[in-house]
Amino acid sequence: SQQGEEDPQALSIQEGENATMNCSYKTSINNLQWYRQNSGRGLVHLILIRSNEREKHSGRLRVTLDTSKKSSSLLITASRAADTASYFCATDAGGYSTLTFGKGTMLLVSP
Amino acid sequence: NAGVTQTPKFQVLKTGQSMTLQCAQDMNHEYMSWYRQDPGMGLRLIHYSVGAGITDQGEVPNGYNVSRSTTEDFPLRLLSAAPSQTSVYFCASSLTVGHEQFFGPGTRLTVL
Repeated sequence: SQQGEEDPQALSIQEGENATMNCSYKTSINNLQWYRQNSGRGLVHLILIRSNEREKHSGRLRVTLDTSKKSSSLLITASRAADTASYFCATDAGGYSTLTFGKGTMLLVSP
Repeated sequence: NAGVTQTPKFQVLKTGQSMTLQCAQDMNHEYMSWYRQDPGMGLRLIHYSVGAGITDQGEVPNGYNVSRSTTEDFPLRLLSAAPSQTSVYFCASSLTVGHEQFFGPGTRLTVL
């Protein structure tokens, strides 16, 4: 069963705009990860945020984590057409439990 | 480093046939896993391994078999293919459970 649920399911914006995707989960986590998948390709890891962190940055990516609300958000600033992809959150509950992926948000960035 | 490699890229099977999807990694990762991806379903874990000789079932293991005789290789066997197994299959590896996963390019399987 999926733990992480992304919202929205699909997002369409213009180049230069910011894109925000949200992920909600149900149980306590050790860390939360975001991945990108270009059409027909394997997933690529973007960023990992641990349960004791509230915010993390990587280039144009900003991830926040609110463990009290069991939610995370991924912000992509100044979007480019090349950012068009599906974005997945994945939660790690710790121990020997495996990563659980959500169903993803499809982002379309138009030139 | 080649990272995670998968073969074949595409495969068409008839119902009842068996086949093995190959996965290999050259990063000396302990953890390897197989997922299937279906439209609107996200990624679902089939089987995983936390080291050579150790495997366990994921969310959707029925109809699939795995083994891990070496650190590098983690083949996925379809015992008797069914149309419901039509999907895209991804292999992934990570240093250990819960760490950043590296994905292969996927195998697109069609069962007629």
